[in-house]
Amino acid sequence: EAGVTQSPTHLIKTRGQQATLRCSPISGHTSVYWYQQALGLGLQFLLWYDEGEERNRGNFPPRFSGRQFPNYSSELNVNALELEDSALYLCASSPGHGLLFFGSGTQLSVL
Amino acid sequence: DQQVKQNSPSLSVQEGRISILNCDYTNSMFDYFLWYKKYPAEGPTFLISISSIKDKNEDGRFTVFLNKSAKHLSLHIVPSQPGDSAVYFCAASEAGTYKYIFGTGTRLKVLA
Repeated sequence: EAGVTQSPTHLIKTRGQQATLRCSPISGHTSVYWYQQALGLGLQFLLWYDEGEERNRGNFPPRFSGRQFPNYSSELNVNALELEDSALYLCASSPGHGLLFFGSGTQLSVL
Repeated sequence: DQQVKQNSPSLSVQEGRISILNCDYTNSMFDYFLWYKKYPAEGPTFLISISSIKDKNEDGRFTVFLNKSAKHLSLHIVPSQPGDSAVYFCAASEAGTYKYIFGTGTRLKVLA
């Protein structure tokens, strides 16, 4: 069974640009979570999607947005990139309450 | 406001000994707790969980203890093995929110 897949693995952008990160959940999982792990920090909750709807969002500015498609895959968009957005972005899927299955992440570098 | 705290950024333990990783939380509404392990360049993988109705859960070499009155949980690894060297995150969620709050992680190094 394929795990959670994220693309791209690495992404290099310059300040002010937009970044789009993609995530495919495990087959059968309807929930997708996005987390940011900045250097030296823990996993900061960004967004939670379930059945195509945004269910919850963390303390991040509106330039962090996303969506979930009918096939449950998800996109995270970061607009007007700032240097401090450089981080590992992790996607996780869940079959329901209790477990998160993480992908390997997208390393975003903002220059 | 860090609702889940792991105050020890790193821990070194000799192979064969016990590793104890600690986690404190502030939100009394948290009812489900998980531990994840993360190797470099990989996503975190689920290790063990505990519901607030229990005070202990065991899975092989891994045991999680929950002290609700102290708002504290700990992960015990016995015996520790070099392959256990990784970053360990604790996470908590509040009933009905499906929002998981993670700690900052503890880097465990098991010395051979």
